[in-house]
Amino acid sequence: QKEVEQDPGPLSVPEGAIVSLNCTYSNSAFQYFMWYRQYSRKGPELLMYTYSSGNKEDGRFTAQVDKSSKYISLFIRDSQPSDSATYLCAMSELNTGANNLFFGTGTRLTVIP
Amino acid sequence: DGGITQSPKYLFRKEGQNVTLSCEQNLNHDAMYWYRQDPGQGLRLIYYSQIVNDFQKGDIAEGYSVSREKKESFPLTVTSAQKNPTAFYLCASSIGDRDVDTQYFGPGTRLTVL
Repeated sequence: QKEVEQDPGPLSVPEGAIVSLNCTYSNSAFQYFMWYRQYSRKGPELLMYTYSSGNKEDGRFTAQVDKSSKYISLFIRDSQPSDSATYLCAMSELNTGANNLFFGTGTRLTVIP
Repeated sequence: DGGITQSPKYLFRKEGQNVTLSCEQNLNHDAMYWYRQDPGQGLRLIYYSQIVNDFQKGDIAEGYSVSREKKESFPLTVTSAQKNPTAFYLCASSIGDRDVDTQYFGPGTRLTVL
């Protein structure tokens, strides 16, 4: 079993839709959760991060962590064609220094105008 | 501007050749990483370095080599021993000694074997 599981999609939605992207994980010691956005042929860019459980909102994006279910989500409201990209989740334990990130395989999202 | 640069953006290699991919960062980060990205397989760690003159193998180090002579530079050599080198290569860096060590990525190099 992989440490982090992510549905690869592809996911296609109409412009303006609410998008839900999800990852599950097996390591209950993960405490720090990140979402990266990767446009085609570009490097991933850090979109959001959250610590432990709860929600974090940044504009149209909301990151949600449910540690009891070992499940994290990224919601995109009022989706735009510019949101079309691959979204990767990543997570880590605390206090482990460098090389402690575990990545999902990424979900490819297309927002259709 | 602070950030991570990778060069070249595109690289073509003939079979049997070694090629070196460049990665430079001016973020003053201690840790640097090389990943390989293939369709449907996510990011796979090749090598990482937590400090100058030290580096560790990742999950798929066979056929690759690295050096870390300077803090800001972490070049990756893809050797002829790498059987399937065509992929998108990503370099990343992080502070390296924090409780939570976020990685920041460069723009990538796409390597194609002819």
